[in-house]
Amino acid sequence: GNSVTQMEGPVTLSEEAFLTINCTYTATGYPSLFWYVQYPGEGLQLLLKATKADDKGSNKGFEATYRKETTSFHLEKGSVQVSDSAVYFCALMENYGQNFVFGPGTRLSVLP
Amino acid sequence: DTAVSQTPKYLVTQMGNDKSIKCEQNLGHDTMYWYKQDSKKFLKIMFSYNNKELIINETVPNRFSPKSPDKAHLNLHINSLELGDSAVYFCASSQLSGTNTDTQYFGPGTRLTVL
Repeated sequence: GNSVTQMEGPVTLSEEAFLTINCTYTATGYPSLFWYVQYPGEGLQLLLKATKADDKGSNKGFEATYRKETTSFHLEKGSVQVSDSAVYFCALMENYGQNFVFGPGTRLSVLP
Repeated sequence: DTAVSQTPKYLVTQMGNDKSIKCEQNLGHDTMYWYKQDSKKFLKIMFSYNNKELIINETVPNRFSPKSPDKAHLNLHINSLELGDSAVYFCASSQLSGTNTDTQYFGPGTRLTVL
């Protein structure tokens, strides 16, 4: 079956540090890939997405590139802020939304 | 204007009770979902509805039953609540447009505590 694996957290960084959160997936077809962010006490919000190989999703300084050859969609940001502290979920979708799978989430804490 | 709303935000109840959580979306989407998030933040899809038809039904206990009076609403009814049902429940919606690019929009969550 389809699955998403993320690096274990929590990840603790100082402000302005470089961020990478690894995500790899297993899928039978050609999924769309997503990163969602969950701020404390809130629901999930879409951060970025990519729909085919070599696409790059970007938003709010975050980027992720769809790598079919390594089945990966790693999240990166060049300079994190305290306000980026949240839980980040990698997810895939295929079969026209009938198969939406989330990774376990990675908690990021950014210290001032 | 809230896109996906849920009520109540918090729900505290005794074991054995029956409770419902309501969800409404004003995005005109045709598919709605329920997810359960446990204390470790792991998200598990429970149900989805497309045009009033159940299209995903994961292996959740039959004490959980989704009810969709129309395509803008998907309520979650839970019978005989158990301690293990304590979690945050998220509603979501999306538009299945025949492509693989649909985004799910999430509600703020309902924190259920069973005592």
